[in-house]
Amino acid sequence: NAGVTQTPKFRILKIGQSMTLQCTQDMNHNYMYWYRQDPGMGLKLIYYSVGAGITDKGEVPNGYNVSRSTTEDFPLRLELAAPSQTSVYFCASTLAGARAETQYFGPGTRLLVL
Amino acid sequence: RKEVEQDPGPFNVPEGATVAFNCTYSNSASQSFFWYRQDCRKEPKLLMSVYSSGNEDGRFTAQLNRASQYISLLIRDSKLSDSATYLCVVNLFGNEKLTFGTGTRLTIIP
Repeated sequence: NAGVTQTPKFRILKIGQSMTLQCTQDMNHNYMYWYRQDPGMGLKLIYYSVGAGITDKGEVPNGYNVSRSTTEDFPLRLELAAPSQTSVYFCASTLAGARAETQYFGPGTRLLVL
Repeated sequence: RKEVEQDPGPFNVPEGATVAFNCTYSNSASQSFFWYRQDCRKEPKLLMSVYSSGNEDGRFTAQLNRASQYISLLIRDSKLSDSATYLCVVNLFGNEKLTFGTGTRLTIIP
């Protein structure tokens, strides 16, 4: 199993550009998450999904969009990049039950918006 | 008040020493508790779950105090490889979201 994979690893965007951060998991997990982590800060939830076709906003969804057409993939879309979106983005997944299980994280995408 | 609060540190501790971190949470309905470890420029990884009875995994001991709403992590005989940021994580029962603290940075000094 590759676990959770993310692409790209690093990207520089100009203000106003758009891009999609890719996330794929091969563990057949139903729950998937997108977080951002600013320097010296904790993880903030952007969006999450409890299954294919279902997505919901997290703590900081503004400026982002997601889709979940398959169990494996959960792409994050930035439509109009802003300097405030400079951050490290982590995708995570878990097989949720009655008790929260371990979230498995991808290696992250470092995004710089100039 | 933040949902999960941690002392950010940094904690600079000599090798072989014992170090303890605390974390407080605001929602008394929280049911699941975890410590995650994050190495520099890497993704977070689960270190251990925290149970009401307390639990131990080698040199690491986690404790939960529901009355005071805090969680602790004790590291004994610290190793250089323990240098990392330790994230306190809390979950509400039946909630699919985790709430992360900002982390406590630990550096073990040779």
